[in-house]
Amino acid sequence: EDKVVQSPLSLVVHEGDTVTLNCSYEVTNFRSLLWYKQEKKAPTFLFMLTSSGIEKKSGRLSSILDKKELFSILNITATQTGDSAVYLCAVDDYKLSFGAGTTVTVRA
Amino acid sequence: SQTIHQWPATLVQPVGSPLSLECTVEGTSNPNLYWYRQAAGRGLQLLFYSVGIGQISSEVPQNLSASRPQDRQFILSSKKLLLSDSGFYLCAWTSGRAKINTGELFFGEGSRLTVL
Repeated sequence: EDKVVQSPLSLVVHEGDTVTLNCSYEVTNFRSLLWYKQEKKAPTFLFMLTSSGIEKKSGRLSSILDKKELFSILNITATQTGDSAVYLCAVDDYKLSFGAGTTVTVRA
Repeated sequence: SQTIHQWPATLVQPVGSPLSLECTVEGTSNPNLYWYRQAAGRGLQLLFYSVGIGQISSEVPQNLSASRPQDRQFILSSKKLLLSDSGFYLCAWTSGRAKINTGELFFGEGSRLTVL
């Protein structure tokens, strides 16, 4: 069964647009939720969220967790072509379970 | 600093042939090690993880096996490949201070396997 569901599966935007990616989860022993960016090969770490309502921010990227409604969002503002990638959400319930990812394409 | 090496980067193998993918970690001791497979549209599927030498946990029944002959070496193997084994395989590690998977995963560059 799917424990981590990401939406949308893919989207295409233009440079300067804002993107919001969703990740919902259903696990028994939630410990943390992580976001990764995968461009060509190895995923690279973006954020780890453990507490509800506390926004994590890194440049134009930000993320927040809602442990009551069991979801997280990842926002990318003022998108650039370098933001084109697959964004992966993972939930740590003593093992990391990944969602299918959202493919973001930013057109110049 | 810690680094993770994974090889080969790509390989094409006939059905029924054996497989060996190798992963080594440098700059840390007693890491937790993982093998993931990534299929299109399916995200990352955990195949095996190891918290120590000779300790392997399998997440899904399959045609593959894993071994950890040394502290920082993790090997993914198959005796006879199937078409369905094709995919992108990623090795990863986390700090071994916790005996259970926690926190940030550090990934290798991946191995793309095509079984014909």
